[in-house]
Amino acid sequence: KNQVEQSPQSLIILEGKNCTLQCNYTVSPFSNLRWYKQDTGRGPVSLTIMTFSENTKSNGRYTATLDADTKQSSLHITASQLSDSASYICVVSDSNYQLIWGAGTKLIIKP
Amino acid sequence: DAGVIQSPRHEVTEMGQEVTLRCKPISGHNSLFWYRQTMMRGLELLIYFNNNVPIDDSGMPEDRFSAKMPNASFSTLKIQPSEPRDSAVYFCASLRERVGEQYFGPGTRLTVT
Repeated sequence: KNQVEQSPQSLIILEGKNCTLQCNYTVSPFSNLRWYKQDTGRGPVSLTIMTFSENTKSNGRYTATLDADTKQSSLHITASQLSDSASYICVVSDSNYQLIWGAGTKLIIKP
Repeated sequence: DAGVIQSPRHEVTEMGQEVTLRCKPISGHNSLFWYRQTMMRGLELLIYFNNNVPIDDSGMPEDRFSAKMPNASFSTLKIQPSEPRDSAVYFCASLRERVGEQYFGPGTRLTVT
């Protein structure tokens, strides 16, 4: 069964600190993996999209990694800011363009 | 571009009433998605269209839900009759190519009393 699991469910860190969010998937065949940021009361916004051949992709202070062999991805946030407080959702697409959504990690940045 | 436009932004209705949610995708995008988000179940795909044709509606919960896309610039999601368990935020999203980046609208918060 195609599944996307994220950890931790929630995370609280102090402003300025780094953090890493995890995503494990069992989707096959794999097409691409996306990370979204969703602010409270808003729709998700895409941060990165990675295909099978890409190991890492950065978007400002956000860096996503992908290990297609172990079917794991991570999202690393550097020097966190209060505006990073949001839910981060991992989404994996199969070859039929079906998107399988993870439950998300709720990140809270405290001053 | 104004992005994906959804209306209304908020809808409060009584159980049994018909509800129609509207979406205007980004111009030039040929795929459109309807999602529902609740605290309990997270983000769920209800249906998606490609070139105005419904491709996968397996996420539509039951016959009370229906979606149409009469042209490339407009789609509706209808619930008839509505029930309290339909209360959720409904998002519409569009993308240009099937593997491209998906852009979400601001959502419609539906409350059924």
